[in-house]
Amino acid sequence: SQQGEEDPQALSIQEGENATMNCSYKTSINNLQWYRQNSGRGLVHLILIRSNEREKHSGRLRVTLDTSKKSSSLLITASRAADTASYFCATDANTGGFKTIFGAGTRLFVKA
Amino acid sequence: EAQVTQNPRYLITVTGKKLTVTCSQNMNHEYMSWYRQDPGLGLRQIYYSMNVEVTDKGDVPEGYKVSRKEKRNFPLILESPSPNQTSLYFCASRFADTQYFGPGTRLTVL
Repeated sequence: SQQGEEDPQALSIQEGENATMNCSYKTSINNLQWYRQNSGRGLVHLILIRSNEREKHSGRLRVTLDTSKKSSSLLITASRAADTASYFCATDANTGGFKTIFGAGTRLFVKA
Repeated sequence: EAQVTQNPRYLITVTGKKLTVTCSQNMNHEYMSWYRQDPGLGLRQIYYSMNVEVTDKGDVPEGYKVSRKEKRNFPLILESPSPNQTSLYFCASRFADTQYFGPGTRLTVL
């Protein structure tokens, strides 16, 4: 079953613009992570936000978490062509184990 | 260099021919996991292991086996592959709440 669902599925923007991706999930979580994947390659961890946090920043990345709505957003500011990739949210279910569920991802294309 | 390695990177095989995809990490992580990635479905967890000799099913374990005899290795075994197991497979190790992914194995089952 898919817990994390990203929106939009695809996003095309100009270099310098901001990109916002959203993720919704269904069950109680310990934390939510965002990963980046360049075409067909391994995923790279970007940022993690814990269930008791509301906002987190890392360089040009800003993540928010709303546990009441079971949703998160990833904002990339001042995007660059090199940001072109797929972005996935992932959640660890609050079940005592490490069962991780990924969303289907948002494909971001940044035009130079 | 800290890394997760997978072999082979590409594999074309035929239905029913047993195969093993190896995964190794040099970071001394206790937790390791296998995922498959299919278009439009994101990554789905196949199996995970919280330590040596401790494994558990993820969301899509059917048709797969794993073993964890050493901390660094976590092979994925397909005893009788079928065409619906054609996919891109990723191994990952984990420290705290961050997962470190291997480069992927693209498997085609004819």
